[in-house]
Amino acid sequence: DTGVSQNPRHKITKRGQNVTFRCDPISEHNRLYWYRQTLGQGPEFLTYFQNEAQLEKSRLLSDRFSAERPKGSFSTLEIQRTEQGDSAMYLCASTQAAQNIQYFGAGTRLSVL
Amino acid sequence: EDKVVQSPLSLVVHEGDTVTLNCSYEVTNFRSLLWYKQEKKAPTFLFMLTSSGIEKKSGRLSSILDKKELFSILNITATQTGDSAVYLCAVTGNQFYFGTGTSLTVIP
Repeated sequence: DTGVSQNPRHKITKRGQNVTFRCDPISEHNRLYWYRQTLGQGPEFLTYFQNEAQLEKSRLLSDRFSAERPKGSFSTLEIQRTEQGDSAMYLCASTQAAQNIQYFGAGTRLSVL
Repeated sequence: EDKVVQSPLSLVVHEGDTVTLNCSYEVTNFRSLLWYKQEKKAPTFLFMLTSSGIEKKSGRLSSILDKKELFSILNITATQTGDSAVYLCAVTGNQFYFGTGTSLTVIP
């Protein structure tokens, strides 16, 4: 399967714990995006990378959230000191810089108890 | 503030009906408008529109963009139960903006 891959699919954690999610984009795609989606809402932009450079972060993104893409391939999203409000689906998408079509992974569903 | 607004928020129709979903936008440096279908998991791509007045078609689905009035419509004819999903509109500008989606339920 050469689509966007996200791991884990589900994560249950206790409040205050740190969690890390991984996204493997489509191999020839140089842009990678992270989104958060809650029930009844569309995906909310968090951040994006072009190759290994993080070009933009949402103003709404708490400093407890950090993302990396160290070699310009896979990316990780870490949430420190999780709160119940962090419970959501975290979606990753990738695209070629010249295109506008983003291809999404199946997401990681986070539940903070 | 950049925004994408979809209407209606939800819709329930019977199989065979035709539906029209709406998406209006105010986005700086507009580049394209995209429609996605989201069932239980990740959004899947349907259409990308960049020019006004050119209809994109795929089977029973079609979409058109009006860049003067800043909106797009997605039509689905002869709806089937498999069309039940959330339909998301996204606009690319300086960032990638999604609407909240229209939840479509098709009853047999």
